[in-house]
Amino acid sequence: GAGVSQSPSNKVTEKGKDVELRCDPISGHTALYWYRQRLGQGLEFLIYFQGNSAPDKSGLPSDRFSAERTGESVSTLTIQRTQQEDSAVYLCASSRVGGTHYTEAFFGQGTRLTVV
Amino acid sequence: GNSVTQMEGPVTLSEEAFLTINCTYTATGYPSLFWYVQYPGEGLQLLLKATKADDKGSNKGFEATYRKETTSFHLEKGSVQVSDSAVYFCALSDPRFQGAQKLVFGQGTRLTINP
Repeated sequence: GAGVSQSPSNKVTEKGKDVELRCDPISGHTALYWYRQRLGQGLEFLIYFQGNSAPDKSGLPSDRFSAERTGESVSTLTIQRTQQEDSAVYLCASSRVGGTHYTEAFFGQGTRLTVV
Repeated sequence: GNSVTQMEGPVTLSEEAFLTINCTYTATGYPSLFWYVQYPGEGLQLLLKATKADDKGSNKGFEATYRKETTSFHLEKGSVQVSDSAVYFCALSDPRFQGAQKLVFGQGTRLTINP
């Protein structure tokens, strides 16, 4: 597709349930990022994938959060046993990686997760 | 650690007014600096960037200058339009990640322009 695609666009789930969020990056983009935006706050980095390297998981807030990416394609972010504080917009971004050169990150429209 | 602090909103202006949204940062090394914009119902888009000190990024009439001495990257526009109504995010890229885009964001500033 032309841009980063995320699904679903909205998700309402009951506290304690597991959810999976999906991100389709731009074709050819080897780097993929997940961010979280809670109401009234800035975007928080969650996890970064680059090619076949080990992902940078330093932003994941707890062990209930995990993410996978198959090769240089789709990524899924899984939140287990959801809590109300997990309610947020989850944004995915992708970019090429150009050595030491700046490369722009393109963002999807996000998944709005509401835990009730 | 790295952080970005930007002007709290919401900001409401009349059309053709002058706009400044302040942004300051804390970082080790020499980060790149960005302004992203999120128009209603749309995804986050890069508005402008600056990759080294004294660089000026510009796009769509917006400008921001990378000021290392004041660790600032304030966004300005001389004459705003109703179509500029959006949420604006200041961000820096972690300088340890050359060529990639691990970004640290400010909390965002909601801008509303009235006709």
